[in-house]
Amino acid sequence: KNEVEQSPQNLTAQEGEFITINCSYSVGISALHWLQQHPGGGIVSLFMLSSGKKKHGRLIATINIQEKHSSLHITASHPRDSAVYICAARESDKIIFGKGTRLHILP
Amino acid sequence: DAGVTQSPTHLIKTRGQQVTLRCSPKSGHDTVSWYQQALGQGPQFIFQYYEEEERQRGNFPDRFSGHQYPNYSSELNVNALLLGDSALYLCASSPGQLFEAEAFFGQGTRLTVV
Repeated sequence: KNEVEQSPQNLTAQEGEFITINCSYSVGISALHWLQQHPGGGIVSLFMLSSGKKKHGRLIATINIQEKHSSLHITASHPRDSAVYICAARESDKIIFGKGTRLHILP
Repeated sequence: DAGVTQSPTHLIKTRGQQVTLRCSPKSGHDTVSWYQQALGQGPQFIFQYYEEEERQRGNFPDRFSGHQYPNYSSELNVNALLLGDSALYLCASSPGQLFEAEAFFGQGTRLTVV
């Protein structure tokens, strides 16, 4: 059974800080997704990764297939980055979500 | 492009009743998947529809059923509602199979069972 674990569960930081959110999974996957969920429920897809690294603006996502681990980094964090960040692992015909990391950036 | 739209946004039902939730996918997307998200938890996969058939299913009882129409829109039906069915129900659409490409999510339907 594939488990997806995220850390930390909650993170509060000051505006401008470099943020790292971690995701680990227990079995082989075909792709890993990072999602952002704002209060009210709407989810936005940030990245889909199967290897290496992707960058979009201030967001960077990396994945290490051998170590079964992915990280989401936010550079120069801003209060508007406050949200829940969820990783989701795709294993053949299943998608398994982590419980999310609640990020709060203080101005 | 309206993206993924779900209706209704909020719903209150009584235990034992039946409910139907609706989802219109993003233009050009032919695959719709449904998720249940309890408060403080990550989403859980319910099922995926592609070409009007249920293709994959998560660990949910038969009380949860669905349908996809020829225009790719989809419904989620839940029968014999339990208090534990109270959750945010999310729909996502994508081109092709489950999460093989970027998925777009709706805003969700918040269901409260009393």
